[in-house]
Amino acid sequence: AQSVTQLDSHVSVSEGTPVLLRCNYSSSYSPSLFWYVQHPNKGLQLLLKYTSAATLVKGINGFEAEFKKSETSFHLTKPSAHMSDAAEYFCPIIQGAQKLVFGQGTRLTINP
Amino acid sequence: DTGVSQNPRHKITKRGQNVTFRCDPISEHNRLYWYRQTLGQGPEFLTYFQNEAQLEKSRLLSDRFSAERPKGSFSTLEIQRTEQGDSAMYLCASSWGQREGYTFGSGTRLTVV
Repeated sequence: AQSVTQLDSHVSVSEGTPVLLRCNYSSSYSPSLFWYVQHPNKGLQLLLKYTSAATLVKGINGFEAEFKKSETSFHLTKPSAHMSDAAEYFCPIIQGAQKLVFGQGTRLTINP
Repeated sequence: DTGVSQNPRHKITKRGQNVTFRCDPISEHNRLYWYRQTLGQGPEFLTYFQNEAQLEKSRLLSDRFSAERPKGSFSTLEIQRTEQGDSAMYLCASSWGQREGYTFGSGTRLTVV
């Protein structure tokens, strides 16, 4: 079955510095992968998606992610962190062609 | 397109009571999903509808839980005889095709006291 592992439960960066949130996946076929952001007490907002097209995917708010099949990874990056980026981030995968399956998430803290 | 709407936003109930939540998906989306999220965890899949047909239910969905989507439009999730362990955020999402990603609502936070 398809699954994801978010390698860091918590990442802390300073405002203006790069962000890297790591996600590894397990899939027996070409996966569909997503990144979502969740601000406190809010629903989840789609940042970007990978569905077998370009391996470098650009999303909203300056985020992008690179799909690397050889490393089974789909890490999320942003060149310069902003205070408003502080949130929980998830990289779910489609399982069984029907539903998103989530990992534990990564909490991103931005220091002023 | 006003997004996915969930009501109520918050619900506090006494243990043993029944509660019902409502989800209004994006009108052109044929798929609707319910997830449960507890503090510090990722969302867990509960159930999934395509149009009015409930196609999959998680083992998390005990016999106290029931979901409906009459006429393939809005959906309701009912929990009977609530327990403290049911306290969580209940998220609804909708999509047109599964590879397009889901649009999530803001959720209903349930507190069972």
